[in-house]
Amino acid sequence: DVKVTQSSRYLVKRTGEKVFLECVQDMDHENMFWYRQDPGLGLRLIYFSYDVKMKEKGDIPEGYSVSREKKERFSLILESASTNQTSMYLCASSLSRPNASPLHFGNGTRLTVT
Amino acid sequence: GDSVTQMEGPVTLSEEAFLTINCTYTATGYPSLFWYVQYPGEGLQLLLKATKADDKGSNKGFEATYRKETTSFHLEKGSVQVSDSAVYFCALLYGGATNKLIFGTGTLLAVQP
Repeated sequence: DVKVTQSSRYLVKRTGEKVFLECVQDMDHENMFWYRQDPGLGLRLIYFSYDVKMKEKGDIPEGYSVSREKKERFSLILESASTNQTSMYLCASSLSRPNASPLHFGNGTRLTVT
Repeated sequence: GDSVTQMEGPVTLSEEAFLTINCTYTATGYPSLFWYVQYPGEGLQLLLKATKADDKGSNKGFEATYRKETTSFHLEKGSVQVSDSAVYFCALLYGGATNKLIFGTGTLLAVQP
């Protein structure tokens, strides 16, 4: 069974801090994704990666960056955390073939920026 | 651009009631459509999918039919249980090999005994 593990369940950070959210998957998936989930807005794609060292912006990349140095690990970085980045962050992975392969999600990291 | 619209919740039902959660989409071409479910405290799980018009996805008693003529993918279940209480997300595949999904805003279902 595919396992997507997010390193922290809850995080509390101060405004201006640099924050790292880590995600690891164990099924050799090519694609990895970072979403944020907010009430009334659903899930919005921040960044995704379709291969090691490859990344593309999603719909809301401002204030975030990502790193994928190894296939199994995809990190989300908040360069200078702000209160409007308080949210639930979900990592996901999937195969690139066949098309329409399902996304497998981690359990989420709830980040609070004070 | 491509988008998904689903009914707002919360939807509150008694056990064994019939469930419908509406989902409509706007997309160019022929997207694949999905329903994901999020149980309390967990990440999202794929519930069912349909990849072309008139396909019916089904799983755990839930069904949804890909209706191209009405651009809809409504989720139904004949008899809900308390354990079905969760948030349900409709989604469409953005396209290409990267499997980017566009999600609706989610519908909270609360089933009472």
